[in-house]
Amino acid sequence: KAGVTQTPRYLIKTRGQQVTLSCSPISGHRSVSWYQQTPGQGLQFLFEYFSETQRNKGNFPGRFSGRQFSNSRSEMNVSTLELGDSALYLCASTRDRAYEQYFGPGTRLTVT
Amino acid sequence: EDKVVQSPLSLVVHEGDTVTLNCSYEVTNFRSLLWYKQEKKAPTFLFMLTSSGIEKKSGRLSSILDKKELSSILNITATQTGDSAIYLCAVGRGTSGSRLTFGEGTQLTVNP
Repeated sequence: KAGVTQTPRYLIKTRGQQVTLSCSPISGHRSVSWYQQTPGQGLQFLFEYFSETQRNKGNFPGRFSGRQFSNSRSEMNVSTLELGDSALYLCASTRDRAYEQYFGPGTRLTVT
Repeated sequence: EDKVVQSPLSLVVHEGDTVTLNCSYEVTNFRSLLWYKQEKKAPTFLFMLTSSGIEKKSGRLSSILDKKELSSILNITATQTGDSAIYLCAVGRGTSGSRLTFGEGTQLTVNP
């Protein structure tokens, strides 16, 4: 069974730009969660999508948004990038009502 | 606000040593506690614990949950250099959705 895939793996953007990250969950997993990982803050929950609906949301500004498609693939968008958005963005998928989340390799975003 | 605290934050041992990593939590409506191992990439799932006092084992790794003390430990016996990684503890709530709250992690270094 293929694991969680994320594209792109690396991105370099400049302040003020926007970026879209993509995540394809494990086949059969309908829940997709996004996390931001930085050295100072650790892993911080961004949001969770299930059946194309946002089910949970973390404490991030509205510049961070996401969506999920009917095939469970998910995208995350960050608008008006700031230097502090530089981080590893991890996507995780799980079966419904399960807590065992399986992570993708992440997208390393660098904002200059 | 949910809180997960891990200790120690950093640990350096020699191959063959036994280590114990600690995780304590304050979570509303606790449902499960999970351990992940993170090398220079995505966190990989190790254990999920939901019941107090029941040990989970996988090879040289084992973990146990104490719901009375709101804590868990992860033991690694006969450590190897390949055990060098960040070990993350996360908790999930008993509400709908799969949101996890992570601790800062313990950086384990095993020297030959």
